[in-house]
Amino acid sequence: NAGVTQTPKFRILKIGQSMTLQCTQDMNHNYMYWYRQDPGMGLKLIYYSVGAGITDKGEVPNGYNVSRSTTEDFPLRLELAAPSQTSVYFCASSGGSAEAFFGQGTRLTVV
Amino acid sequence: QKEVEQNSGPLSVPEGAIASLNCTYSDRGSQSFFWYRQYSGKSPELIMSIYSNGDKEDGRFTAQLNKASQYVSLLIRDSQPSDSATYLCAGLSGGSYIPTFGRGTSLIVHP
Repeated sequence: NAGVTQTPKFRILKIGQSMTLQCTQDMNHNYMYWYRQDPGMGLKLIYYSVGAGITDKGEVPNGYNVSRSTTEDFPLRLELAAPSQTSVYFCASSGGSAEAFFGQGTRLTVV
Repeated sequence: QKEVEQNSGPLSVPEGAIASLNCTYSDRGSQSFFWYRQYSGKSPELIMSIYSNGDKEDGRFTAQLNKASQYVSLLIRDSQPSDSATYLCAGLSGGSYIPTFGRGTSLIVHP
């Protein structure tokens, strides 16, 4: 049982480049989330999804986009990377009323 | 706005002592609460969940919930150096599927 799998684990981007962070879960969870975590800070919600085809913005969505074409996959797209997007990104999934399960994270540096 | 507040610490305790971590929340509609442990450079992992007033024990961990006072606590008995991590408190409102996370409390258990 793999749980929540994120790729890549590390990435360095140049300013203005774009990339997609991949996230897949095998627990048949309807709810999926993308968070970013800056040093010494908590988790800030970027986007979330309540099911295939349904996504919505969290508290810090600017500069990001998401899609949810299947229950399993929830990729996060960064367009025109900026240094402010340097962070650790976590994907998570949940059965709704219960706890969230996190992927191993992606450490992104924008230079 | 829903908020979950935690003292960022660090909380330093000697090995074998009881570590007490506290969390307050602003949303009176919050029904479920979770404690996550996050080791440095790793993703959060769930260690306790609590849904009703009172205490819930699991091994060396005890979660306490007081809805009237809007606080949640986590007690770690017989603290070990391996317990050194950041502990994140999260709340979930009834009918919601988006947990609200606190910033986390750093715990250091010294030998």
